[in-house]
Amino acid sequence: EVLLLESGGGLVQPGGSLRLSCAASGFTFNAYAMSWVRQAPGKGLEWVSTMSAETGNRHYTDSVQGRFIISRDNSKGTLYLQMNSLRAEDTAIYYCAKMRQLVLGYFEYWGQGALVTVSS
Amino acid sequence: ESVLTQSPGTLSLSPGERATLSCRASQSVSSNYLAWYQQKPGQAPRLLMYGASSRATGISDRFSGSGSGTDFTLTISRLEPEDFAVYYCQQYGSKPTFGQGTKVEIK
Repeated sequence: EVLLLESGGGLVQPGGSLRLSCAASGFTFNAYAMSWVRQAPGKGLEWVSTMSAETGNRHYTDSVQGRFIISRDNSKGTLYLQMNSLRAEDTAIYYCAKMRQLVLGYFEYWGQGALVTVSS
Repeated sequence: ESVLTQSPGTLSLSPGERATLSCRASQSVSSNYLAWYQQKPGQAPRLLMYGASSRATGISDRFSGSGSGTDFTLTISRLEPEDFAVYYCQQYGSKPTFGQGTKVEIK
């Protein structure tokens, strides 16, 4: 069974930083691209970032480029999202997702999410 | 970047009825790289369809997808109580984008 467990969410002031983690199990972690998708309160889904499995290529949506950094530790089966210079509009539930078919493909499995609130 | 527009915004139907959800792309979706997700309140999204018409693992055959180019449809043949939820389409021909969602509610 594929399991994705996010952690590290919380309340942070504007301009602050936070690091999310996603512990994966139930599949060969180092064989799949992994992503972060977010959902602002009461809103729809927004892709944030993806990291490929083998080449380590990183992709970001324009609004987080230069502020967020995605990384992964294949030996630990864990995905990370370092979020810097946080803004109120970054407030959302952040989901970790396992990719399928393409690096920028569809989201086959999802974690339960971690809530990030950016507020003073 | 392809913008996806879903319609209607809300669909009010009774259990047993047929639901037809539309997803229109601002530019052609290459290779029919179009997926559908279901999300219930307080839960993470769940993959339903990929490649426009292929069902994900464990998804009931009451769900079917169709379409190509810029126009795609998700059909739920007979609504069950557990099908009332929000549905999102997503294209992956380029950087992933989602539609704004269609809520299927009980009439």
